[in-house]
Amino acid sequence: DPKIIQKPKYLVAVTGSEKILICEQYLGHNAMYWYRQSAKKPLEFMFSYSYQKLMDNQTASSRFQPQSSKKNHLDLQITALKPDDSATYFCASSQRSSNERLFFGHGTKLSVL
Amino acid sequence: DAKTTQPDSMESTEGETVHLPCSHATISGNEYIYWYRQVPLQGPEYVTHGLQQNTTNSMAFLAIASDRKSSTLILPHVSLRDAAVYHCILRVYTGNYKYVFGAGTRLKVIA
Repeated sequence: DPKIIQKPKYLVAVTGSEKILICEQYLGHNAMYWYRQSAKKPLEFMFSYSYQKLMDNQTASSRFQPQSSKKNHLDLQITALKPDDSATYFCASSQRSSNERLFFGHGTKLSVL
Repeated sequence: DAKTTQPDSMESTEGETVHLPCSHATISGNEYIYWYRQVPLQGPEYVTHGLQQNTTNSMAFLAIASDRKSSTLILPHVSLRDAAVYHCILRVYTGNYKYVFGAGTRLKVIA
């Protein structure tokens, strides 16, 4: 019974198009994150949100825009897609504390043709 | 940039105890050491974490050096299900907490 739901699981897009990756968490956490994992590369931190406010942004491109409509939602809008954007995008959440743990979703695998 | 160094891969036989090393020579005093593992097509799964003291749970034992510059994740009696990439990461505080992943150690378990 997944507590962090990412939709869709697989996504194919054409270069130049726009897509939204969905993430919902049902753990009651107050912080959410996006990470990206390209083929054979480590997980790369993208964004962190706490109480629906952007806390940290390590993504150089403005084509990546997180959107938080509810406390337990953090979607990721990607515009003007490029083949280099092909990766698996992981959403994660945590309850902020000194002993917090990150919980990850199963990821959305994006392929840009 | 990742602040940890791990071997690229290790191999073990079912039933053995595995010691996965991690070096974090530039660790700061308030940075926690976390271990996650990841199998293909899934997100990372929490294994354990610690600050200074050794810790143990149902999955693993974490041994932290007294100077905190290295740690070892000990997996007792590994099974085929323990085959995964094990990430040793530091939780960095730069105004906010951030987990910086490296490449991890790919653990292969042989029957």
